[in-house]
Amino acid sequence: DAKTTQPTSMDCAEGRAANLPCNHSTISGNEYVYWYRQIHSQGPQYIIHGLKNNETNEMASLIITEDRKSSTLILPHATLRDTAVYYCIVSLWGGKLIFGQGTELSVKP
Amino acid sequence: EPEVTQTPSHQVTQMGQEVILRCVPISNHLYFYWYRQILGQKVEFLVSFYNNEISEKSEIFDDQFSVERPDGSNFTLKIRSTKLEDSAMYFCASGIKVNQETQYFGPGTRLLVL
Repeated sequence: DAKTTQPTSMDCAEGRAANLPCNHSTISGNEYVYWYRQIHSQGPQYIIHGLKNNETNEMASLIITEDRKSSTLILPHATLRDTAVYYCIVSLWGGKLIFGQGTELSVKP
Repeated sequence: EPEVTQTPSHQVTQMGQEVILRCVPISNHLYFYWYRQILGQKVEFLVSFYNNEISEKSEIFDDQFSVERPDGSNFTLKIRSTKLEDSAMYFCASGIKVNQETQYFGPGTRLLVL
C-alpha cells in the first residue's frame, strides 16, 4: 500500500488560498490520489481525487506533479469553516482508504 | 443531496454485551464499508462489503465482528461481545464502484463500552 506524508499542521489566513502538500513517492501507476477532510469528529468528507491530470471542482483544486510523487490540494479562498484535518490518501485495490494523521489546517481571521 | 445515515448517534453498553450499529447507504451504491476511529487516533478501515459478501477485512475485524445487509437498504455492523477497547466512533461509508470510486461517509456512531 502506497503511503503518504503530510505536514502535521498549517495555518492560513481567512480569504487566502490554502495550499496543502502531500508526498506519495511510492504510488503505483493505477493508484489515485484522494483528499478527504474531517471536521471535529464528524465523518470524513470527500473533497477531490485525481490520477495524473490536475483536477478542479467546486471545493478545491488538485495539482499532481508529472512524476506523480507528490500533490497539492488548493482551497482557493479559505474560510473559517475550512478548519479541519485534511487527509491525502492513495487508493488501494479493493477500495479501502488508509488514513494517516493528516494535516490540521487552522484558518484564522 | 443523498447522504449516508447512521443510527444510533450514540450508544453506551456494558462490556460483554452485543451491539448492532446501523447504516443506510446511498441508494444506488454497491460497495459498503465500516471504519472506526478511537478517540484521538486515526480513522481505521474495518471491512468492505460487496455483492452480499465481505470483499476485504482488516486485522481488527476479528470473529467478534460481523456485517450484514439484511434487507437491501440497511447495512449493519455487529459486535458480539464488546470490549472496553471497542469504544470508538464507527463510520459507515458507501461507494458506487470499487477501486476508483468515491466513498461517502456517514456521521458516525459513538460507541462507549463501560
